[in-house]
Amino acid sequence: QKEVEQNSGPLSVPEGAIASLNCTYSDRGSQSFFWYRQYSGKSPELIMSIYSNGDKEDGRFTAQLNKASQYVSLLIRDSQPSDSATYLCAANTGGFKTIFGAGTRLFVKA
Amino acid sequence: DTEVTQTPKHLVMGMTNKKSLKCEQHMGHRAMYWYKQKAKKPPELMFVYSYEKLSINESVPSRFSPECPNSSLLNLHLHALQPEDSALYLCASSQGTVTNEKLFFGSGTQLSVL
Repeated sequence: QKEVEQNSGPLSVPEGAIASLNCTYSDRGSQSFFWYRQYSGKSPELIMSIYSNGDKEDGRFTAQLNKASQYVSLLIRDSQPSDSATYLCAANTGGFKTIFGAGTRLFVKA
Repeated sequence: DTEVTQTPKHLVMGMTNKKSLKCEQHMGHRAMYWYKQKAKKPPELMFVYSYEKLSINESVPSRFSPECPNSSLLNLHLHALQPEDSALYLCASSQGTVTNEKLFFGSGTQLSVL
């Protein structure tokens, strides 16, 4: 069974701090990794994608991938209350099959 | 246009009803998906259409019947559902190049089966 594992949280950080979200995956053949943000009652929204080892930065977000450790992370700098949401880690396991982790709930306290 | 549009937003149906969920995208994407999401759980893949052909069926019960009339439209026909089928049904699309497929989700249909 191919899996994506995340700590469900909640992760609580003060406004302005760095939020660090982590994810591991079981299928070594996975090539593409994604972070989706899902507000309560809404649908997932893609915020980051990463395909090769290392860091990828986009504004306040940095995604990190370590394929040897099968580990993906998302850093959110200068966290804002509007960042409070569930963050879903996802891995494409081949073709059109993308599987999601259970998500980490993030609370940013003002 | 970067939206995936789903209708209806909410649906309540009895176990003997037949209903359909609809999804439309105008981004030129060639892959379209149905996911099911229960509360506080991750989205679970149900079906994938690639170039209007069914590419993936994740062993979904036959009471769910997908249809892809053309590259912009995706339907999910529902018949004789069970209360445990109550969930958020999400449509998504992607470019269809197979590699590095980024999913764009619609706002979902919240389905309640009585």
